[in-house]
Amino acid sequence: GENVEQHPSTLSVQEGDSAVIKCTYSDSASNYFPWYKQELGKRPQLIIDIRSNVGEKKDQRIAVTLNKTAKHFSLHITETQPEDSAVYFCAAKSQYGGATNKLIFGTGTLLAVQP
Amino acid sequence: EAGVAQSPRYKIIEKRQSVAFWCNPISGHATLYWYQQILGQGPKLLIQFQNNGVVDDSQLPKDRFSAERLKGVDSTLKIQPAKLEDSAVYLCASSSTGGAETEQYFGPGTRLTVT
Repeated sequence: GENVEQHPSTLSVQEGDSAVIKCTYSDSASNYFPWYKQELGKRPQLIIDIRSNVGEKKDQRIAVTLNKTAKHFSLHITETQPEDSAVYFCAAKSQYGGATNKLIFGTGTLLAVQP
Repeated sequence: EAGVAQSPRYKIIEKRQSVAFWCNPISGHATLYWYQQILGQGPKLLIQFQNNGVVDDSQLPKDRFSAERLKGVDSTLKIQPAKLEDSAVYLCASSSTGGAETEQYFGPGTRLTVT
């Protein structure tokens, strides 16, 4: 079945530095890749997503890149702030089992931004 | 708009007992999902409903888990009997359609502890 790998599992950066989280997926038919931010004890919230017909998307300090040939996508956060500290999950849409919107999540990256 | 509502927020039970979780999706959302999130892992889809029909339940342990979405609005997820490994956060999510790139909105989750 579909698998999504995410690295690193933990990431510590100094405030103001950049952070990069990388994911790879196995289902070549996947065409939608959202990123979720989950603060401790709270619900996952969508922060950015990218579709397969786009190579890069940016929203203020957050950007996502997609390489369909290599089947990997990355989240880039610039000028990190302490409030960026959270667990970040990548996901890929899979159509395994006939589901039309089945998201397969990565294992998460705990980002700690040190003031 | 009001978000996805879930109850209870926390539940502690002993193994072999039964438990039920309730979810009220965002008004008008046709698609409803139940995810299991074990500590330190990403959410794993258990079941997906489109209105009141099941789209995907391939990862639902059907010998002990059941879910229903009568009338295509609220949903309940039941575990009977519970095992220690069922300890997790159970997240409900909804989307306006089951379409490929439709954002999923998550509820706050129910944290289940099985002792």
